[in-house]
Amino acid sequence: AQKVTQAQTEISVVEKEDVTLDCVYETRDTTYYLFWYKQPPSGELVFLIRRNSFDEQNEISGRYSWNFQKSTSSFNFTITASQVVDSAVYFCALTRNAGNMLTFGGGTRLMVKP
Amino acid sequence: NAGVTQTPKFRVLKTGQSMTLLCAQDMNHEYMYWYRQDPGMGLRLIHYSVGEGTTAKGEVPDGYNVSRLKKQNFLLGLESAAPSQTSVYFCASSYAQSTYNYGYTFGSGTRLTVV
Repeated sequence: AQKVTQAQTEISVVEKEDVTLDCVYETRDTTYYLFWYKQPPSGELVFLIRRNSFDEQNEISGRYSWNFQKSTSSFNFTITASQVVDSAVYFCALTRNAGNMLTFGGGTRLMVKP
Repeated sequence: NAGVTQTPKFRVLKTGQSMTLLCAQDMNHEYMYWYRQDPGMGLRLIHYSVGEGTTAKGEVPDGYNVSRLKKQNFLLGLESAAPSQTSVYFCASSYAQSTYNYGYTFGSGTRLTVV
């Protein structure tokens, strides 16, 4: 069975602070895909990143960066110099293979205060 | 490009009533899914479909039925609504091939309240 754990249910930071959202996953598969989604207050789910299990390179996209470590089964997400617009619920998710169902973590609510 | 369209966006039902949620996608995706989102629990899969005419149960299928008569549509039915089915429902679709697994396209959600 697959499982995704986001231990931080809620994080509050002040604008311009760096913040890391943790994601730990469990799977018996050797091939899998990890995702991060953002859900702003408007409610839609916004795709942020996909990472394959065989690609452990870290990813940076502007103020966003992701650290994938198979040794610790973690796929953490860091926002540098946070902004109020980053306030949202962030979900980490896992799927075994293409077309398979996503297993979501419980989500982390990030509040960035001005 | 409409992507994934869900109707309705909001609905209030009385206990015992029935309703159908419609999901339509225009991306020619083979796979479609219905998730529900509850506070603190993330999104949980209700049912999914890997192709026209096929459906399968997900993690929380009880109380729901689905149908995929056309490739572009995936319907979620509640035969006898219960307050425990108060939730936000998301439809999603994806390609089957791994090279296209860049992410799932989600609809904007349906907020359902059962009173």
